[in-house]
Amino acid sequence: EVQLVESGGGLVQPGGSLRLSCAASGFTFSSFVINWVRQAPGKGLEWLSSISSSGISIYYADSVKGRFTISRDNAKNSVYLQMNSLRGEDTAVYFCAREGYDSLTAYNFPGLDYWGQGTLVAVSS
Amino acid sequence: QSALTQPASVSGSPGQSITISCTGSSSDLGDYNYVSWYQQHPGKAPKLLLYDVSNRPSGVSNRFSGSKSGNTASLTISGLQAEDEADYYCSSYTSGFTLVFGTGTKVTVL
Repeated sequence: EVQLVESGGGLVQPGGSLRLSCAASGFTFSSFVINWVRQAPGKGLEWLSSISSSGISIYYADSVKGRFTISRDNAKNSVYLQMNSLRGEDTAVYFCAREGYDSLTAYNFPGLDYWGQGTLVAVSS
Repeated sequence: QSALTQPASVSGSPGQSITISCTGSSSDLGDYNYVSWYQQHPGKAPKLLLYDVSNRPSGVSNRFSGSKSGNTASLTISGLQAEDEADYYCSSYTSGFTLVFGTGTKVTVL
């Protein structure tokens, strides 16, 4: 069974830092792109970042570029999101999600087929 | 990258069909057939309903279907059921190798 479990959320002061983790199991982790998506309270989904299976290709949304850093450790089946210079508007539930895969056709697609349960980050003084 | 545009809310009676639109631009939805749709119930993680415009993952009801024309994609829910009451989001791959989500649509079953 595919599982993604986020951890590391909590309360942090403005300007502070936090590191989120996403632990994966149930699939060949080193073969998949992993994404981070967040959802502010009562708001919609916002894509934040993705990292390729090898970790070589990394992309960010403009809203977090220069402040957030995505990384992965394939030996530990984990992806991380280092968040620096946090602001009130970064308050949200943060999800990690796997790129889509159609097992019948062995096709990877740029949708998100498995998601974690999310971890809450609250930025407040 | 601006969010894709969806109607804030759509409603329908049980058994009816409803359609949710998702409008983007030539740098995302208009240029790629990599449109996905998600369903999210309160307090839950999103669930993938469709990918590549109209493909359903295993286990997703065939009451959910998708299409695309130009810069607009659509999700149709046929035979509306009480359990379909949720928030729905579209997403698209973009020319910047990123993903962008829609603004979200709240579906109410009357």
